[in-house]
Amino acid sequence: GEDVEQSLFLSVREGDSSVINCTYTDSSSTYLYWYKQEPGAGLQLLTYIFSNMDMKQDQRLTVLLNKKDKHLSLRIADTQTGDSAIYFCAETSRSGNTGKLIFGQGTTLQVKP
Amino acid sequence: DARVTQTPRHKVTEMGQEVTMRCQPILGHNTVFWYRQTMMQGLELLAYFRNRAPLDDSGMPKDRFSAEMPDATLATLKIQPSEPRDSAVYFCASRNVGNTEAFFGQGTRLTVV
Repeated sequence: GEDVEQSLFLSVREGDSSVINCTYTDSSSTYLYWYKQEPGAGLQLLTYIFSNMDMKQDQRLTVLLNKKDKHLSLRIADTQTGDSAIYFCAETSRSGNTGKLIFGQGTTLQVKP
Repeated sequence: DARVTQTPRHKVTEMGQEVTMRCQPILGHNTVFWYRQTMMQGLELLAYFRNRAPLDDSGMPKDRFSAEMPDATLATLKIQPSEPRDSAVYFCASRNVGNTEAFFGQGTRLTVV
């Protein structure tokens, strides 16, 4: 079945770059997402990438997709204390036209001043 | 300002009681997801619906959990009887098929004592 894995914790200093990694198993994934969750809140979409792309940049965010290795990463440039949150990788596929949305465990990003 | 609305935001109940959580998806969205978030398991997909029909509820304990969509503006998740291990934050999300983003509610924080 589908599975999405992430490391659980990342700590960086303010101003450094953060790289959060994710692997997935579903080869029929069509969209891959990064969501952000702040304390006590729901998840908000940060960015997404279609499976036929290998990179997407959006201001301080860069998403890299290695479809062969089923590896997705999120790079946050010039990380700020306001970026401290849990970051979830997610994938959806059209296998069987289900459109199921599966999340990883989430990576807690701690940004130290 | 379209948003997914979940009620209640917080619920404390005694073991053995019935719990009903409600979700109002964004108007016009035809896919609704229910997730459970715990520290140990992360974000688990419990069930999801398209056009009010359940597509997959394999993530849900069948003996005590049930999910329904009585109409297009309401999704419910019931637990009967509730147990302490059901304590978690339950999220509802909605999207349209063909849209990339799923929008999340603020969640219902359930505590079963």
